Amino acid sequence: NAGVTQTPKFQVLKTGQSMTLQCAQDMNHNSMYWYRQDPGMGLRLIYYSASEGTTDKGEVPNGYNVSRLNKREFSLRLESAAPSQTSVYFCASPTGAGTEAFFGQGTRLTVV
Amino acid sequence: RKEVEQDPGPFNVPEGATVAFNCTYSNSASQSFFWYRQDCRKEPKLLMSVYSSGNEDGRFTAQLNRASQYISLLIRDSKLSDSATYLCVVNPGGYNKLIFGAGTRLAVHP
Repeated sequence: NAGVTQTPKFQVLKTGQSMTLQCAQDMNHNSMYWYRQDPGMGLRLIYYSASEGTTDKGEVPNGYNVSRLNKREFSLRLESAAPSQTSVYFCASPTGAGTEAFFGQGTRLTVV
Repeated sequence: RKEVEQDPGPFNVPEGATVAFNCTYSNSASQSFFWYRQDCRKEPKLLMSVYSSGNEDGRFTAQLNRASQYISLLIRDSKLSDSATYLCVVNPGGYNKLIFGAGTRLAVHP
């Protein structure tokens, strides 16, 4: 039982390049989230998906797109990376009651 | 104003000390509350939920004051292994969204 699996763990991009962060959960949860974490800012919600087939913007959605491919998978895409998107990205999936969120190990992204 | 605010610290304490972290939240309709722990370069993990009546888990005690919109975490008899960042987390309701504070860093030294 892997919980939440997130890939890649590390990535360096040049400004303007695109990439997709992958996330999969095997806990049969409905909801999945993408957060970014910056020093002094805590975790900020980028997008979330309350259930398969639905996605909604969070606090900081600009520059990102998401796809809830099926119940297990929720991907985050950067179409044209910018240095301001240098951050640590976490995928998370909460229990149905919202009592606990399980996180992936994070993706450390640097945009140069 | 941020939805969840915490003192960033760091709190530098000796082993055996008692340390308290505070957190305030802005949405009075918030429904559930948590403390998460995050080790350096790792993902956050649930430490404990926070109930209106207060709750205790070993050396850790969490309190909630809904009237003041205030949450606290008390750690007694600090251990070196308690060194981490402690995140105050609030669920404002709806779609199980979780709003994170910026975290309070704790460093326990010998």
